[in-house]
Amino acid sequence: DAGITQSPRHKVTETGTPVTLRCHQTENHRYMYWYRQDPGHGLRLIHYSYGVKDTDKGEVSDGYSVSRSKTEDFLLTLESATSSQTSVYFCAISEGQEGTGELFFGEGSRLTVL
Amino acid sequence: DAKTTQPNSMESNEEEPVHLPCNHSTISGTDYIHWYRQLPSQGPEYVIHGLTSNVNNRMASLAIAEDRKSSTLILHRATLRDAAVYYCILLNAGNMLTFGGGTRLMVKP
Repeated sequence: DAGITQSPRHKVTETGTPVTLRCHQTENHRYMYWYRQDPGHGLRLIHYSYGVKDTDKGEVSDGYSVSRSKTEDFLLTLESATSSQTSVYFCAISEGQEGTGELFFGEGSRLTVL
Repeated sequence: DAKTTQPNSMESNEEEPVHLPCNHSTISGTDYIHWYRQLPSQGPEYVIHGLTSNVNNRMASLAIAEDRKSSTLILHRATLRDAAVYYCILLNAGNMLTFGGGTRLMVKP
């Protein structure tokens, strides 16, 4: 199994509070991704990173920011959480070889915003 | 971005083969066809991928139409543990996977 861990696995917070989810990998893969999954929407890409300090937006990036200060860690921050951000968040990693793109996913972080 | 179309759900009997279809009529020449599956309460898991030729691995086979506008994921003998949502995805050089709704496979004992 790919070495990828997410923390926290479960979090309940209140509207307006900041939240940071952490994704940690031990595979030294170049690409890292944050997805959210909601009923009826499948997985949607929030942000991704293609190297240290190199990040870009996905299809649902509003209200989220990310940082990658070292290869192994990719942080997702909700500056001021809203109830619409209640979701399951998945981190994924990839070596990024063209055409291969096999993604390895973490176990998910369930966030509830009250 | 190229899109894929899959049936919402399918049923299969245990130990029988399962053919999961996917249409991707707007596929470009550089798009790879990927399949992932997601078991309940878990993150998605890579199954198989291909470009033009049929592919086999320990989990499944991928049959790609000659015009590449459709593909079929084949599970040779379905088990109860294969019950999951299966996603057919097109991947290009940008290396970003965009997931659609997928097919929920139910396996009956």
